[in-house]
Amino acid sequence: AQSVTQLDSHVSVSEGTPVLLRCNYSSSYSPSLFWYVQHPNKGLQLLLKYTSAATLVKGINGFEAEFKKSETSFHLTKPSAHMSDAAEYFCVVSDTGGFKTIFGAGTRLFVKA
Amino acid sequence: GAGVSQSPRYKVTKRGQDVALRCDPISGHVSLYWYRQALGQGPEFLTYFNYEAQQDKSGLPNDRFSAERPEGSISTLTIQRTEQRDSAMYRCASSLGTSGLGDNEQFFGPGTRLTVL
Repeated sequence: AQSVTQLDSHVSVSEGTPVLLRCNYSSSYSPSLFWYVQHPNKGLQLLLKYTSAATLVKGINGFEAEFKKSETSFHLTKPSAHMSDAAEYFCVVSDTGGFKTIFGAGTRLFVKA
Repeated sequence: GAGVSQSPRYKVTKRGQDVALRCDPISGHVSLYWYRQALGQGPEFLTYFNYEAQQDKSGLPNDRFSAERPEGSISTLTIQRTEQRDSAMYRCASSLGTSGLGDNEQFFGPGTRLTVL
């Protein structure tokens, strides 16, 4: 069975400061992991994905995530927040077949000027 | 079209009525997925198709929910005898292949907001 836990429902940062959105997963095999972003009144967009290649994954808009098997974590980071980063972020784990995906509850990121 | 489209975008219905939600995937995409997203929560997997074959429907809440994709392209999610608890955003996604590697990027549609009165 798989599960994913996003440890913070809300994160607030100031523009120009680092962003950390935390995600822990549970899977009985090597998972595929994703981060999606959802801007208000828009659809879900893939930020980045991990599929057993490099453990440090770079995505769009300066985001990256590191897969740490020992910690069962896949935290999303960005060195410097921008106002346009304000959105909801979802951590996702996928089964071996790659189709049944489990979304976390989401973390809403607020960016203050 | 350029992306996944869903119709209607908004649907208001009375309890007990049946509703049909449509998803038009990106042309050429083999896999199609349905999700339900309650307010303040992440999308919840319902079912998915490879071509016209429904591969996994374990996420469908009960037998009032069904989905089909008869020609391997457009899909319809049908909810019979709707209840207030069915109110949610219903999202559709499609992906290019069936490799099953877990790395098929899913492209999401804008969703259908269903309200059951």
